[in-house]
Amino acid sequence: ILNVEQSPQSLHVQEGDSTNFTCSFPSSNFYALHWYRWETAKSPEALFVMTLNGDEKKKGRISATLNTKEGYSYLYIKGSQPEDSATYLCALAQGGKLIFGQGTELSVKP
Amino acid sequence: DAGITQSPRHKVTETGTPVTLRCHQTENHRYMYWYRQDPGHGLRLIHYSYGVKDTDKGEVSDGYSVSRSKTEDFLLTLESATSSQTSVYFCAISDRQGGQPQHFGDGTRLSIL
Repeated sequence: ILNVEQSPQSLHVQEGDSTNFTCSFPSSNFYALHWYRWETAKSPEALFVMTLNGDEKKKGRISATLNTKEGYSYLYIKGSQPEDSATYLCALAQGGKLIFGQGTELSVKP
Repeated sequence: DAGITQSPRHKVTETGTPVTLRCHQTENHRYMYWYRQDPGHGLRLIHYSYGVKDTDKGEVSDGYSVSRSKTEDFLLTLESATSSQTSVYFCAISDRQGGQPQHFGDGTRLSIL
């Protein structure tokens, strides 16, 4: 069973802080890496799907990078806001399925 | 929101009873998935479907079965519910495997007493 690891498990920051989290995955037979944002009591919402080594994607204050050779992806949030509080999930695409990491829970205090 | 409806949204039942959860989509997407969410485990795949009558197991498929008789509906059945199957269940859809994002339903909270 493939292992997708996310760190840290949780993060508490102040409003305005910039932050980043890591997703690590096996680098062999890479196809795609997904990022999702999951607010409490809601359903996961897709942020990015990344497929190319060196890829960088951006949506507002959130960006992500991908290194398929070494098997990691970073998610960055610039100037965190309280509404960014959520769990951020990464998932590795493998054989028609997604293997999810356990997520990084972000809490942004005003 | 993508056109995904899960039913019921909440259910409480007793150990040993059969339970069926329904996922209905209006997007005509080929791929449909059932996940469960548990503390400390994130999202784990139960079963998925890659077309009508085409299904495959995920990492936690024991005790669950699925059926997909038409594109828009994907049913998850617990033949004889156990307390360990108390969880929040999410359905997701995708129009391409792996390279496109999955879109999730609102979830079904299932409690088995």
